[in-house]
Order: sequence, then structure tokens, then C-alpha cells
Amino acid sequence: QVQLQESGPGLVKPSQTLSLTCTVSGGSISSGSYYWSWIRQPAGKGLEWIGRIYTSGSTNYNPSLKSRVTISVDTSKNQFSLKLSSVTAADTAVYYCARGPMSGFGYWGQGTLVTVSS
Amino acid sequence: SSELTQDPAVSVALGQTVRITCQGDSLRSYYASWYQQKPGQAPVLVIYGKNNRPSGIPDRFSGSSSGNTASLTITGAQAEDEADYYCNSRDSSGNPNWVFGGGTKLTVL
Repeated sequence: QVQLQESGPGLVKPSQTLSLTCTVSGGSISSGSYYWSWIRQPAGKGLEWIGRIYTSGSTNYNPSLKSRVTISVDTSKNQFSLKLSSVTAADTAVYYCARGPMSGFGYWGQGTLVTVSS
Repeated sequence: SSELTQDPAVSVALGQTVRITCQGDSLRSYYASWYQQKPGQAPVLVIYGKNNRPSGIPDRFSGSSSGNTASLTITGAQAEDEADYYCNSRDSSGNPNWVFGGGTKLTVL
């Protein structure tokens, strides 16, 4: 059973870079033709797809965040990561990592709350 | 605003059938997937593709699509089905970007 777990700082200062890592267990991140995504959800609001990466390193980003987002993968550690630069309070959200979106986002991490505040 | 539009709230009597809809231009070309989210939990995929249920999802959940509208139907709603439901699909740009609907709060009466 594939499991995903987000990790990273829960508090980031405005204008700084948010960095999160998703560790995949229960299978190799490189096995199968899967994409791996980041999704976020501000408190009381809906879901927003941030971007995805293939194990080859190929990426696609939400156009509204593209200028600030970098997603990378480390297959040796079975991890993929998110960096979001120049954060503001509007970036405060629960951040999820997930496998997908092809055939839906079938596996999700539990989510990690990141608060942007000085 | 989302490119996928959902009704904010829907209610259903226990044991009855409810349809939750999702509208968007991209749905004329791409299937929607559907997610159930309960408070404090990560979303769970309940329907993907034409009408596919992941392992462990009860068969009372089904999906369909017509024109620019995708639907999630729960036949015989149970108390545990009370949750937020989100649709998700490609956007209409033609680029590989994904969008979510704004979500529908389902209340089981």
C-alpha cells in the first residue's frame, strides 16, 4: 500500500521560500507511469492543484503559481519536493502531496499546515 | 474563480439518492474525478475516469458525464457520506493543468 508523508517547516516568514518534502513508502517512486503532485487547501476553502512531476523530472505547474513554484524529485530517497518562493499570507494553507493526476489523485498524504507569518 | 462549478451545498434524506454536479467547458473533453473530504482529513478519491471506483469505495457511488456536466451520484445515501465533495479535471486551456471545483457540502438528513 502506497503511503505519502509531507514534512517541512510549519511556519514561514513573508517573502521567504516555503519548502516541503513528500516521502513515498510502500513502493518505488520510479515504478509505474505515475505523476506526483502537490495540492493545497486554505482553511475553510477548496483545493488548488499546485503542480506535478514525473520521475524523469518533467514538470507542469499551475499557471497562477508558475513563477514561484519549483517541484523536484529525488528517486534515490523516494521523495519529491516543493519550493514556493516569495510567500505571503495568502499562501497559508494545508499542503498535500498526492500521486496523480492521471486516473485521479489516488493516494494522498495526511497534509501539513504551513502558516506564513512574521 | 474555478473553471469547474459546483453547487455549494446539497442535502439528501437518509437512504435516498443524490446527484452532485460539476460544470465546466473542459468536461466536454476530459473526464472528472471526484473526491470525498471529511473534516480534518485528506480527500479520498471515490470516482475516476468514465465511472471507476477505487478499491474499497462502496458501489453506491457512481459517476456520469453529459456535455459540459459531470455528476457524482450516491444511491442510498448513508450518514457517513456527509462530507465535502470536489470534482477535478483538466482545465480548458489544452495545457496539462488541473483544476478543482469549489466543492459541494453534502448534508445527510
